[in-house]
Amino acid sequence: GQNIDQPTEMTATEGAIVQINCTYQTSGFNGLFWYQQHAGEAPTFLSYNVLDGLEEKGRFSSFLSRSKGYSYLLLKELQMKDSASYLCAVRDKSYKLSFGAGTTVTVRA
Amino acid sequence: DTAVSQTPKYLVTQMGNDKSIKCEQNLGHDTMYWYKQDSKKFLKIMFSYNNKELIINETVPNRFSPKSPDKAHLNLHINSLELGDSAVYFCASSQDYYEQYFGPGTRLTVT
Repeated sequence: GQNIDQPTEMTATEGAIVQINCTYQTSGFNGLFWYQQHAGEAPTFLSYNVLDGLEEKGRFSSFLSRSKGYSYLLLKELQMKDSASYLCAVRDKSYKLSFGAGTTVTVRA
Repeated sequence: DTAVSQTPKYLVTQMGNDKSIKCEQNLGHDTMYWYKQDSKKFLKIMFSYNNKELIINETVPNRFSPKSPDKAHLNLHINSLELGDSAVYFCASSQDYYEQYFGPGTRLTVT
């Protein structure tokens, strides 16, 4: 099974940087995903890591350390539209995706 | 162009009724999923189909029955609805188990 932990809430100022941590315990790791979900909307894909290291995609970057069971999502140059819930999800060897409870990020002017 | 669509968007019904939610994807993906998101926003997998074959069947009451008539469609039928079934149900699809594309969700309210 999976055990995925991420902070419940974070607040940051427009233009700043926020790092959302995710730790996981799994019986068969096969990839880690980050999704963004605005209130009342569907989750949308942000990033995917399967090997250790940093993946950069515009203002968003995601890091993975498989030995530590740890990932983070880095949001740079925060904008008001980045206020949303960020979901860490771990895929196992049977290709099942298990989601964390999500981190609600609030961006203030 | 809607990639993953679900109907209905809202569903309000009484306990004991039977209801269905339909999902269609036009992305040509080979895998489709049903998720349940409860009031605490926790997103949990229910079922997954790959090329019309059931591959993930989580611990879900057998009142829930998925059906995939073809690769582009995955429907969810729920019998004898209970209060605890109230949630948002998301359909999703992916190719080769990579990034999943989610539908807009169906908000089910059981009274």
